[in-house]
Amino acid sequence: AQSVTQLDSQVPVFEEAPVELRCNYSSSVSVYLFWYVQYPNQGLQLLLKYLSGSTLVKGINGFEAEFNKSQTSFHLRKPSVHISDTAEYFCAVILGSGGSYIPTFGRGTSLIVHP
Amino acid sequence: GAVVSQHPSRVICKSGTSVKIECRSLDFQATTMFWYRQFPKQSLMLMATSNEGSKATYEQGVEKDKFLINHASLTLSTLTVTSAHPEDSSFYICSAKIPGIGETQYFGPGTRLLVL
Repeated sequence: AQSVTQLDSQVPVFEEAPVELRCNYSSSVSVYLFWYVQYPNQGLQLLLKYLSGSTLVKGINGFEAEFNKSQTSFHLRKPSVHISDTAEYFCAVILGSGGSYIPTFGRGTSLIVHP
Repeated sequence: GAVVSQHPSRVICKSGTSVKIECRSLDFQATTMFWYRQFPKQSLMLMATSNEGSKATYEQGVEKDKFLINHASLTLSTLTVTSAHPEDSSFYICSAKIPGIGETQYFGPGTRLLVL
């Protein structure tokens, strides 16, 4: 079975600073990887996903993530954050072969952007 | 992109009553929808997989008689919390997959349930 670890429960950062939200996964087979963002009292919005191909994935709102198979990581980055990026961020993994395509979510990282 | 809606967005009810939450795929047909529950400051917990035209598949520990799921059409799944109690208060989120593109789920905006 796959699992997802988001190492930081909370990441405070100043506006316009760069940020990295960490995600590691464990799986013995190939995986699909996702980052979702959740604003207060809202559902999840897909930021980006890695299915195959280039390991550097660009998403919405200026975010990008890099798939590193050797380190089993899929860290999310943004070079300059805005106040509006304050939200909860979830990393998720789906087994890439067979299965029901049901994602396993990490516990979430709360990004807090200070002015 | 694929849009999923939920209704109501928030509901307050008395203990012992039943509450129905609707999940709709607005611009695509979804043979499979998912229901999640989210406690404050925690991740999503999958409750059940809703399959159009057949019985839902419940995760271990989720009471099927408590959380009734009906997926009567390709665009609508409903979750009914029967005889709700305060411990059922939570944020309920549904998601749907586009048939043939299995790996991405599209999430609804969630329903905040408060049972008094």
